[in-house]
Amino acid sequence: NAGVTQTPKFQVLKTGQSMTLQCAQDMNHNSMYWYRQDPGMGLRLIYYSASEGTTDKGEVPNGYNVSRLNKREFSLRLESAAPSQTSVYFCASSEQAANSNQPQHFGDGTRLSIL
Amino acid sequence: GDSVTQMEGPVTLSEEAFLTINCTYTATGYPSLFWYVQYPGEGLQLLLKATKADDKGSNKGFEATYRKETTSFHLEKGSVQVSDSAVYFCALTANAGGTSYGKLTFGQGTILTVHP
Repeated sequence: NAGVTQTPKFQVLKTGQSMTLQCAQDMNHNSMYWYRQDPGMGLRLIYYSASEGTTDKGEVPNGYNVSRLNKREFSLRLESAAPSQTSVYFCASSEQAANSNQPQHFGDGTRLSIL
Repeated sequence: GDSVTQMEGPVTLSEEAFLTINCTYTATGYPSLFWYVQYPGEGLQLLLKATKADDKGSNKGFEATYRKETTSFHLEKGSVQVSDSAVYFCALTANAGGTSYGKLTFGQGTILTVHP
């Protein structure tokens, strides 16, 4: 019963390095999301994919890119990491985004530190 | 835009005490409301939800009622346990003609610590 799987769980980068965070779900969900969690700010949406083949910006997209590789996988890329991107990153999925009643299912997070 | 405001934390209680965590929201249309819980080192899990006015969501002894007149969705539990120690997030998805794509807007989270 894997649900949403994120890799890696922890990562330390130097400023300017690039990195891709991986996310996969096995629930046959249509929609996937990337959030960042910072102290005192809750979770903020970075990018989302309402369905396979589509991606859209969320609240804080600057400095990030995403790829919806297939229905299962949704990756987040930092092209040139900055200390302000130090955060905990969560991937989530839901069955059908246009139905706002559907809850989202979250992975365990990736803890990313940029030095 | 949509927003969610939770009571400031952290909240510290003794076991078997009554818990209330306040949550108010601002949204257009008729949002769906959620409480998520995050245990240490884990991702968020759905605790309960309510999708229309006067609905009561409940799970694991927690309850919250969707109050449209006061735009609130306060979380309550009659008797907390040490195992309830976690971070609690109130959230909404706006239901604006199906264009919201289920995007969640979160409150800032409330840390709950329960002592034996």
